[in-house]
Amino acid sequence: DVKVTQSSRYLVKRTGEKVFLECVQDMDHENMFWYRQDPGLGLRLIYFSYDVKMKEKGDIPEGYSVSREKKERFSLILESASTNQTSMYLCASSFLGAGGQPQHFGDGTRLSIL
Amino acid sequence: QQPVQSPQAVILREGEDAVINCSSSKALYSVHWYRQKHGEAPVFLMILLKGGEQKGHEKISASFNEKKQQSSLYLTASQLSYSGTYFCGTEYNNDMRFGAGTRLTVKP
Repeated sequence: DVKVTQSSRYLVKRTGEKVFLECVQDMDHENMFWYRQDPGLGLRLIYFSYDVKMKEKGDIPEGYSVSREKKERFSLILESASTNQTSMYLCASSFLGAGGQPQHFGDGTRLSIL
Repeated sequence: QQPVQSPQAVILREGEDAVINCSSSKALYSVHWYRQKHGEAPVFLMILLKGGEQKGHEKISASFNEKKQQSSLYLTASQLSYSGTYFCGTEYNNDMRFGAGTRLTVKP
């Protein structure tokens, strides 16, 4: 079974801090994604990556950056955390290729910014 | 860019049927369907590809109208375990977007 592991289930940080959310997958997937989940808004794409050191902006990249130095790891960085970034963050991964590939999700990190 | 899902919420009795719709303004390569139970990660249900191919592993059916860029998920003879939030994801050129979700509640 595919395993997508997010480093923390719950995280509390202060306004202005630099926050790192880590995601690791064990299936050699090329694609990795970061989503933010808020009530009524569903899953909104922040960034995705289809290869090491490659990244693409999603719909809401402002205030975030990402890093993918190794194929299995995709990090989301909140450069200077703000209270409006309090949310559930979900990481996902999938194979790259034709034929539509299912995404596999981690359990999520519930982040609170005080 | 997010697809539009309808309805936002639906409440059923066990054994009843439901249809969840998903529409996009973009020409799609595929449509994905996922279910998320409270406090858990979304779980893959099905992919519908342009051209009619379907990939999935649960007893749930779906359709994909390529001309209208619409997909529907059909839940028949619902069970209590079907409760959760259903998301459609629309894929275009390796780029995925999810809808806001449909909360399905099945009552005894």
